[in-house]
Amino acid sequence: KQEVTQIPAALSVPEGENLVLNCSFTDSAIYNLQWFRQDPGKGLTSLLLIQSSQREQTSGRLNASLDKSSGRSTLYIAASQPGDSATYLCAVPSNNDMRFGAGTRLTVKP
Amino acid sequence: ETGVTQSPTHLIKTRGQQVTLRCSSQSGHNTVSWYQQALGQGPQFIFQYYREEENGRGNFPPRFSGLQFPNYSSELNVNALELDDSALYLCASSSRGGYTFGSGTRLTVV
Repeated sequence: KQEVTQIPAALSVPEGENLVLNCSFTDSAIYNLQWFRQDPGKGLTSLLLIQSSQREQTSGRLNASLDKSSGRSTLYIAASQPGDSATYLCAVPSNNDMRFGAGTRLTVKP
Repeated sequence: ETGVTQSPTHLIKTRGQQVTLRCSSQSGHNTVSWYQQALGQGPQFIFQYYREEENGRGNFPPRFSGLQFPNYSSELNVNALELDDSALYLCASSSRGGYTFGSGTRLTVV
């Protein structure tokens, strides 16, 4: 059974810092991994989708890497801004569903 | 291209009642999945529909049921509501690869 873990559960940083969010999964036989952002009480916004054949994906200040063999992915956020404050979730396919981590709640202080 | 839309956005129901939540999938997406997200947790898979047939189900009791229509829109029905059913209900559509989520329906059972 696929299990997804995210560390840390919460993170508070001053504006401008670079930061890394971690995601680990137990079954490395995945065909993609997706990172989402969730604002309080809202739905999920897709940030990056990494196919299993890729090592990383970039979108603006975001960079996600995938290491299938070790069961890990990282989301790197450069030059953080207060508007980046949200919960970040990673998810991997498992049978017919997506298996999510509990998320990392990020607060960027002005 | 429209995204995934869910209705209603908020709902308050009494224990024992029945509720129907609705979801319109993104154009071109023939698969719809429903998730329940309790406060502070990642989304939990309820079930998935593909071409109007249930295509996988998570660990939820039979009082959680669904439908998918020929236009790929979907409904989630919950009978005999319990207090623990209070959560954010998310709908996601997919075709190949990543998922697109709606903004969710916040259900409160009192």
